[in-house]
Amino acid sequence: KAGVTQTPRYLIKTRGQQVTLSCSPISGHRSVSWYQQTPGQGLQFLFEYFSETQRNKGNFPGRFSGRQFSNSRSEMNVSTLELGDSALYLCASRSYRQQETQYFGPGTRLLVL
Amino acid sequence: GIQVEQSPPDLILQEGANSTLRCNFSDSVNNLQWFHQNPWGQLINLFYIPSGTKQNGRLSATTVATERYSLLYISSSQTTDSGVYFCAVGNTDKLIFGTGTRLQVFP
Repeated sequence: KAGVTQTPRYLIKTRGQQVTLSCSPISGHRSVSWYQQTPGQGLQFLFEYFSETQRNKGNFPGRFSGRQFSNSRSEMNVSTLELGDSALYLCASRSYRQQETQYFGPGTRLLVL
Repeated sequence: GIQVEQSPPDLILQEGANSTLRCNFSDSVNNLQWFHQNPWGQLINLFYIPSGTKQNGRLSATTVATERYSLLYISSSQTTDSGVYFCAVGNTDKLIFGTGTRLQVFP
């Protein structure tokens, strides 16, 4: 089975712009979660989607949003980018047959200038 | 919220040495995972271990849920073991990560 894939892998944006990141889960996995990793704050939970519905949300401003499609692929969007949004964004998927184990993608490195 | 502490923060070993990494958490959880983050940022699952003991090759892990800690053992370390090891815990779909242990293994 192919693993979790994320596109793009690297991205450079300027302050004020918006960005959309994409995540394709492992085939058959219906839950997708997003995490942000920065040197200062470490790994932090953004949100989780299951069957196109947001089930859980972390403590991030409304500029961070996401959605999930009927094929379980997910996108996250960050509007009005700030320098502090520079981070590694990781997506994880899991199957509800193996509820607890999350499998992570390679991440998208976002640099905001 | 749940707090997760990992120790030591840094570990430097010579190839062949053994090591123990520790994860303490502040509340009861029904989900605990250990991950290895390689230099390219990929998080690799090592163990899903909310309680008990598991082994996979040179790695093993033990979680004592009643005392709220987990241990990751690495035996006969290799240079490819280098990277950051994270413990993550949770009770819902959300994982709370510790700050990690950075391991460097030298030949």
